[in-house]
Parts: sequence; structure tokens; C-alpha cells
Amino acid sequence: GIQVEQSPPDLILQEGANSTLRCNFSDSVNNLQWFHQNPWGQLINLFYIPSGTKQNGRLSATTVATERYSLLYISSSQTTDSGVYFCAVFLNAGNNRKLIWGLGTSLAVNP
Amino acid sequence: DTGVSQDPRHKITKRGQNVTFRCDPISEHNRLYWYRQTLGQGPEFLTYFQNEAQLEKSRLLSDRFSAERPKGSFSTLEIQRTEQGDSAMYLCASSGRDRGHTEAFFGQGTRLTVV
Repeated sequence: GIQVEQSPPDLILQEGANSTLRCNFSDSVNNLQWFHQNPWGQLINLFYIPSGTKQNGRLSATTVATERYSLLYISSSQTTDSGVYFCAVFLNAGNNRKLIWGLGTSLAVNP
Repeated sequence: DTGVSQDPRHKITKRGQNVTFRCDPISEHNRLYWYRQTLGQGPEFLTYFQNEAQLEKSRLLSDRFSAERPKGSFSTLEIQRTEQGDSAMYLCASSGRDRGHTEAFFGQGTRLTVV
């Protein structure tokens, strides 16, 4: 089945720093989503990005589908950015429809 | 649009008891998914519905687990005879026809602790 790998597993930043999170996937996919899981456990949609580049405020994402990777950029990080960032790809084959997840990048932003 | 809603947010139960969780999807979404997440892991797929039909169940879903979506709107997930290994966050998501059902939106989750 499809494998999703995220790196780095953990990241500690000083407030104001920039960072890049990476997601590699092993097969062609219909969709890729980036989520932020806050300390209370809720998964917040950041980007729906099967290909190309999108920006939303201090966050941007790029997916290069042909090379099977996606990057999430966080600029001028804030303490509220802390949490776990997940990459998930959508498997859509017959009745087999689900998100396949990486293990996440745990980000801590220190004041 | 109020988003995906789950109830309760937290549940503490004694081993051997039954528990039931509820999920209300985004109103126009006809697909609904249940996932389970344990500490330090990504969510794991449990089951999904298209309208009221349950189309796929993971092998993680033992005979003690059952999910329903009787009218194609809200869904319930029941765990019978709970075990300590059932302690986890249970997440519900829904998706709509936009983007071919490939964009999922999640609720706040129900955190289950079995003592």
C-alpha cells in the first residue's frame, strides 16, 4: 500500500524562525492534505494541495506530484503554531477510500 | 456551516462497559469516516459510509465495534465490552462532492479513556 513519510519527526524553533516540513509518498495519489493538530486534538485543515503551490498567510505549501513529495513552509513562526503537522494522501480505488497518514512532525515554538 | 461535530468530547469508562459516540457531519456531505488515533501516531482508518451504506471496514474494527448511519446524516460508533487498549482519540470526518470527495474535514474528536 501507499507509504507516507514525514520529516523531521520533531522540530524546535525560536519564535520568528522559518521552517520547512517534508512529506514523501510512495505512489500516485488523488489528493494530499496538510493538517495541524492542536493541543486539544482537533485536526485543522491547512491545505488541500494535490499539486502546485498555495499560500495562506504565513503558511505555504508545494506539492510536486511527479516526484511524490510535498513541502509545508512556516514563516515567522509563532507559539500558536506549536502542535503536530500531518500530511495525508487520499486513496481512492473502488470501495477503498481513505486518508493514509504520515506519523507527523511535532513542532514546538518557544517564545 | 457549523463543521463536523462530535459528542462527547471526553469519555471515561470502566473496562467492560459499552460506550457510544456520535458524529454530525457537515450537512451537505454524504461521506462520513471514522478514524482512531493513539498517542504519537497518525489517525488510523476504521470505517466509512456513503449516505447510509457502510462501504468499508478496517480489520482494526473488531466484533466489539459497530458503526451506523441510519438516515445518512449523523453516525454513531459503539464499542461493546471496552478494553484498556480501546483508549484513544476517535475522530470523525466528512467529505462532499466538491473536489471529488477527496477533501476531508474533521470534528474535534472524542477522547476515550478506559480504566
